[in-house]
Amino acid sequence: DVKVTQSSRYLVKRTGEKVFLECVQDMDHENMFWYRQDPGLGLRLIYFSYDVKMKEKGDIPEGYSVSREKKERFSLILESASTNQTSMYLCASSENLNQGSYGYTFGSGTRLTVV
Amino acid sequence: DQQVKQNSPSLSVQEGRISILNCDYTNSMFDYFLWYKKYPAEGPTFLISISSIKDKNEDGRFTVFLNKSAKHLSLHIVPSQPGDSAVYFCAASADSGTYKYIFGTGTRLKVLA
Repeated sequence: DVKVTQSSRYLVKRTGEKVFLECVQDMDHENMFWYRQDPGLGLRLIYFSYDVKMKEKGDIPEGYSVSREKKERFSLILESASTNQTSMYLCASSENLNQGSYGYTFGSGTRLTVV
Repeated sequence: DQQVKQNSPSLSVQEGRISILNCDYTNSMFDYFLWYKKYPAEGPTFLISISSIKDKNEDGRFTVFLNKSAKHLSLHIVPSQPGDSAVYFCAASADSGTYKYIFGTGTRLKVLA
């Protein structure tokens, strides 16, 4: 069974901390994505990557950075966590072929609370 | 500016009846559309897709309709079951090569037993 695994289901961090959210996929997918989900706002794209060491800003990249050193791993970094970054973070991957009839495969999400 | 809109935040339907979830979009370049279902504390799971070359796609109890002239798509679930209670997101992508989907805000469906 194909998987996208996010390392933590729940995280509580303090304001100003540097936070790392890890995501690993075992499907050999080229593309990986980070979204955040907030009530009333749906899923908003933070960053995505279409190849190792490549990254593109999404719609809300401010306060975030990413790292993709290996094809299977895509990390989201909150440089200095703030309370408005409290959210559900979702990692996803997809293959290049024909956009993928199934779109993305999502991880289970990481619920981050910044206090 | 929200390019993909789901104007109904919630919907309640009786078990066995039809559920209709709606989605509107503004970008005429969108050519591939997906519906996802999301349970609490889980990631979204793929439900059904439709390409802009079609106006209907059916998979079991789920049918998606696309009206390109109105920039509108809908998801029909017949018959609705209590296990269908979840948040449903529509998503759209343009053929830009970035494989980037824009998601709607979601509709929470509650199927009443």
